[in-house]
Amino acid sequence: SQKIEQNSEALNIQEGKTATLTCNYTNYSPAYLQWYRQDPGRGPVFLLLIRENEKEKRKERLKVTFDTTLKQSLFHITASQPADSATYLCALRNQAGTALIFGKGTTLSVSS
Amino acid sequence: DTAVSQTPKYLVTQMGNDKSIKCEQNLGHDTMYWYKQDSKKFLKIMFSYNNKELIINETVPNRFSPKSPDKAHLNLHINSLELGDSAVYFCASSLAHLSTSGETQYFGPGTRLLVL
Repeated sequence: SQKIEQNSEALNIQEGKTATLTCNYTNYSPAYLQWYRQDPGRGPVFLLLIRENEKEKRKERLKVTFDTTLKQSLFHITASQPADSATYLCALRNQAGTALIFGKGTTLSVSS
Repeated sequence: DTAVSQTPKYLVTQMGNDKSIKCEQNLGHDTMYWYKQDSKKFLKIMFSYNNKELIINETVPNRFSPKSPDKAHLNLHINSLELGDSAVYFCASSLAHLSTSGETQYFGPGTRLLVL
């Protein structure tokens, strides 16, 4: 069965630094991978989608990479701000194409 | 103009009771989902409906029964509630069912269920 792992449960960084979050998956090659942000007490909010034929995607201070050889996606937030503090979830479509499988998330804390 | 709304936001109830959670989306999406997020924050798909038709029924006890009266609504009824049902339940919708091109999911605010 497909597995998706986000290696760090928590990541603490200083304001202005770049945060890098990791998402690894096993057992098959998804057509795309998505990243969501979840704030406490709220539902996840979609941030970025990257397809298997794309190496990199950017949106403002966010950058996502997708390495299908390593079976890994990296999510970067440059010039991080305290407002970026949240839990970030990666998700990919299961092999049957019927559902998104979510990682357990990495909680990012940006201190000023 | 809430895109995906759920009621109630909080639900505290006794073991053995039956309860329902309602979900509505005003995005014109064809597909709706129920997810469960447990105390460890793990978000897991429970059900998926596409145009009122059940697509996914993951390994969920049959005490949980989704109902979709129309494609804008997906309700979740839970019978004989157990302590282990305590979690946050999220409704979500997407324009169409999952495809190789990728479908963004829009989540509701969640319903926090506590079974005592």
